[in-house]
Amino acid sequence: QVQLQESGPGLVKPSETLSLTCTVSGGSVSSGSYYWSWIRQPPGKGLEWIGYIYYSGSTNYNPSLKSRVTISVDTSKNQFSLKLSSVTAADTAVYYCARYFIVATIKVFDYWGQGTLVTVSS
Amino acid sequence: EIVMTQSPATLSVSPGERATLSCRASQSVSSNLAWYQQKPGQAPRLLIYGASTRATGIPARFSGSGSGTEFTLTISSLQSEDFAVYYCQQYNNWPPKALTFGGGTKVEIK
Repeated sequence: QVQLQESGPGLVKPSETLSLTCTVSGGSVSSGSYYWSWIRQPPGKGLEWIGYIYYSGSTNYNPSLKSRVTISVDTSKNQFSLKLSSVTAADTAVYYCARYFIVATIKVFDYWGQGTLVTVSS
Repeated sequence: EIVMTQSPATLSVSPGERATLSCRASQSVSSNLAWYQQKPGQAPRLLIYGASTRATGIPARFSGSGSGTEFTLTISSLQSEDFAVYYCQQYNNWPPKALTFGGGTKVEIK
């Protein structure tokens, strides 16, 4: 059973960089057909896709966040990470890591972490 | 960017009744649509993909239909554990310019 677990600071100051790591167990980030993703959800609101990374390092980001987002992967640790720079209160959200499974025409988020709340405040 | 619009925002339904949720795409996404269920304090769970295929372990009371720009999620007989928020998500095009979700429909007890 694949499991994902987010970790990182729960409080970040405005203008600083938010950094989160997702540790994958029960599966390998180096497996084909999987893209490792970050999705966020502001309190009481809907889901926003941030971006994903393939084990090779290839990335794709939401255009609305692209200038501030970096996603990286560490295959030796079976982890992938998110950095979001110049944060403001609008970046306060629960951040989820998720596995984006792709086979033929099927592309779905099939496994999710439990989510971690990151608050941007001084 | 493809915009996904869900309606209604809130649906009040009695246990045992049928619930019908709608999702509309701003342009055709063919059948490249998934539905997710999210309960309070939990991560979303995949219900349906390919507009109509149930994910592993999803009960038969959940069904999806539609293609192009109009999609429906139907819960045939609501159980207590089905009261939650439901999101649609399109995954048209590869690689995508953006993966987008609808705003969600909250199914609450009437």
